[in-house]
Amino acid sequence: DAKTTQPNSMESNEEEPVHLPCNHSTISGTDYIHWYRQLPSQGPEYVIHGLTSNVNNRMASLAIAEDRKSSTLILHRATLRDAAVYYCILRDEGQTGANNLFFGTGTRLTVIP
Amino acid sequence: GAVVSQHPSWVICKSGTSVKIECRSLDFQATTMFWYRQFPKQSLMLMATSNEGSKATYEQGVEKDKFLINHASLTLSTLTVTSAHPEDSSFYICSARDLTGIQETQYFGPGTRLLVL
Repeated sequence: DAKTTQPNSMESNEEEPVHLPCNHSTISGTDYIHWYRQLPSQGPEYVIHGLTSNVNNRMASLAIAEDRKSSTLILHRATLRDAAVYYCILRDEGQTGANNLFFGTGTRLTVIP
Repeated sequence: GAVVSQHPSWVICKSGTSVKIECRSLDFQATTMFWYRQFPKQSLMLMATSNEGSKATYEQGVEKDKFLINHASLTLSTLTVTSAHPEDSSFYICSARDLTGIQETQYFGPGTRLLVL
């Protein structure tokens, strides 16, 4: 499984943008970049995913480097409810049905009121 | 997004008993479901992949005779922890893959907290 590297923790002030980085230097051509987050005592929640182009949805934006060796999850205005552990995961979409999501240690985001 | 439910949300049992956890995809069919385990302050660890109508595939180090998985329908998978011991106390999370979209998206249940006394 392709490995990702994320900072262990980050802090943000409420209502400010947050940029969560992820390095994946060994990414392959068919690996999609997935982001999930886990709030305390809950199952992970899907946030966003992408392949090459930047992606936007109602929760966040995903900025993918041109060489695809890194990506950044952007929360445009952090709220207290965004405090969670954010996981950046690579999944090989070239193996439909056979590939799974393997979680790393993630980044624990603390939002300061 | 799609909804995955788990039941029960928490369970306390005596050592040596068996516990069954249900995972349901509520508004989509899931040919593949996954079972994860999470210990305090640790990340999720994949235990097994459950395929509808066939045997589950277990990750290395997970005892298939201890963690019985059944995926009898496209919306239900069950995990049975047999002869549970205190070291099996953990947060068990299931996940289901929705194949109806252009790309597969994996959705997670709310988790089941198991405490073995």
